Order: sequence, then C-alpha cells, then structure tokens
Amino acid sequence: AAGVIQSPRHLIKEKRETATLKCYPIPRHDTVYWYQQGPGQDPQFLISFYEKMQSDKGSIPDRFSAQQFSDYHSELNMSSLELGDSALYFCASSTPAPGLSSYEQYFGPGTRLTVT
Amino acid sequence: AQKVTQAQTEISVVEKEDVTLDCVYETRDTTYYLFWYKQPPSGELVFLIRRNSFDEQNEISGRYSWNFQKSTSSFNFTITASQVVDSAVYFCALNGGGSEKLVFGKGTKLTVNP
Repeated sequence: AAGVIQSPRHLIKEKRETATLKCYPIPRHDTVYWYQQGPGQDPQFLISFYEKMQSDKGSIPDRFSAQQFSDYHSELNMSSLELGDSALYFCASSTPAPGLSSYEQYFGPGTRLTVT
Repeated sequence: AQKVTQAQTEISVVEKEDVTLDCVYETRDTTYYLFWYKQPPSGELVFLIRRNSFDEQNEISGRYSWNFQKSTSSFNFTITASQVVDSAVYFCALNGGGSEKLVFGKGTKLTVNP
C-alpha cells in the first residue's frame, strides 16, 4: 500500500539558511499534518491543512510557513534556521473515516534536519 | 488542556515476558480519541490503534492488547510474549474537542533482550 512520502530524508543546513521540506500524502488523503520531534522528545504538532486551507496551528515558529497545494502535497518552509531547529520533521496524512470524526494519521518516514 | 502521561520512561524485559505500558490522559472533552504509536530505532512512527471515548471495549490484536478505562483515565498497552522486534519507543497520544492535532506523551522506551 502507498505510504506518505517525505523528501528529502536527510538535510544538513547552516545557521541562518533556509530549508524546504516536502510531503506527499497517501492518495485520496485530503488532510496533512506537520510535527517536529526533537532528540529524545515526543512529536510536537506544528500545523495542519485540509483541502488546501490551514485547519489547525500549533507551536510553529513565525520563521516557518507551510502550505498545501492543489495536488494535496504540502511543503514546510523554514527560514533563518537555528541550531534548535535540528529535529526529525514528520508529515502525516488522513482522510475522513465513515462514522468517525477523528481520523487515523499515517506518518511518513520523516526528514531529519541538522542545522550546524 | 489535554495531557498525556507515560510514567515509565524505560522498560527492559527478557524475550517472552509480558509487558504493560501505562498511559494516563487528561482532557475536558467529552468526545476524544486515544492512540498508540510505535517508533522503532529506524525512526518512523507506526500507527497501532485508535480508540474513541465511547468505546471502552478492550481490544486484542495478536500479541497486542489494549485496556481502556475511563474511570481511571487510562489506556494501557500490553505486549504478550515479547520479542526482540518489539524493542522501540511507544507513544500514547490523544486528540479531541474538534481538533485533529495529536498530543503525545513523552514515550516509553521498551528494550526486549534475547
């Protein structure tokens, strides 16, 4: 079965640089979520999109922005990178399940960002 | 505010032992959903189960079982006859109140030794 695809899988950037992470959801999934997981930490919700509109927002820094495109893929743009941005960034996707209002979120393999 | 507490930071067992991972949650929502995810050393997050707040039936899937008790706000996870491949960090998570964002616990690192 198709899974969530994230690219790149690994990224090394220097402080103050910019990074763009891409997420391709499972086919027919219309909702995308972004999470950040620091070393030894639990994943923290950043932002989500439903049908190309922002649906929820968490602890996402102002230096970060994201969007969902017409083909449902999403990109997380990160500017003025800081050492503390080094983390595993997960994208997840979901679609409404009949009779349920909370959907199973299927996670991609993550993008490991290292800021030096 | 929603909160998930996994009091066990690390657990180490010997293969074939049974092990229970504890999860206690806090929420003011009447409708909420509980999840368990597995994160093996390779780093991906693998969905294991979702349970809604109106369904307190226990669930069994192979060697995995889950015990949901609203009276104690707990959603515990038991692995029977553990195997080395079960070694991973296990996260309990919660959402509800109309929001889909997952609130995770700090995770429990399970090590199964041969």
